[in-house]
Amino acid sequence: KNEVEQSPQNLTAQEGEFITINCSYSVGISALHWLQQHPGGGIVSLFMLSSGKKKHGRLIATINIQEKHSSLHITASHPRDSAVYICAVVGGSNYKLTFGKGTLLTVNP
Amino acid sequence: DADVTQTPRNRITKTGKRIMLECSQTKGHDRMYWYRQDPGLGLQLIYYSFDVKDINKGEISDGYSVSRQAQAKFSLSLESAIPNQTALYFCATSDSWGKNTGELFFGEGSRLTVL
Repeated sequence: KNEVEQSPQNLTAQEGEFITINCSYSVGISALHWLQQHPGGGIVSLFMLSSGKKKHGRLIATINIQEKHSSLHITASHPRDSAVYICAVVGGSNYKLTFGKGTLLTVNP
Repeated sequence: DADVTQTPRNRITKTGKRIMLECSQTKGHDRMYWYRQDPGLGLQLIYYSFDVKDINKGEISDGYSVSRQAQAKFSLSLESAIPNQTALYFCATSDSWGKNTGELFFGEGSRLTVL
């Protein structure tokens, strides 16, 4: 079974700060998702990546397959970025997603 | 309209009652999933379906059943609800990993409380 660990569990930042959330997993994967969940809200997929780096606006996601590690970066953080960020990995050639427990990000004005 | 729609969004029921949560999608995806989210835990897979005739148990299927009525519809039933099934339930869809992007789309969630 793939173990997915996220760090930190909780993160508080001031508006404008650069944010990094980390995700490590134990078994080789075919892809990794970063998801965002606002309080009381649904879950939105931010990125799916299997190698390298992707950027969307102020969000950047990177993955190092050899080190079994991914990071989600937020530049110029804003209070509306406050949410839970969840890492999910796709195991091997099958469907199965394994989720981390999430990182609660709070960005203060 | 949302890509993935769940109904009801909130439900309070009593122990022993039968409950159905419904999910419909407009993405045309083959794959549909039901997950459960509890505070402090990651999302846990209840059931998944790769097409109308292919339904599989997930990690925590006991006490639940599902029906894939059409490609677009996947419903979750609790035959006899119990309090520890109180949770937030999510439906999700995706393409097959060999197609398109394999992106996931989630519904808004259904909050179920069993008294």
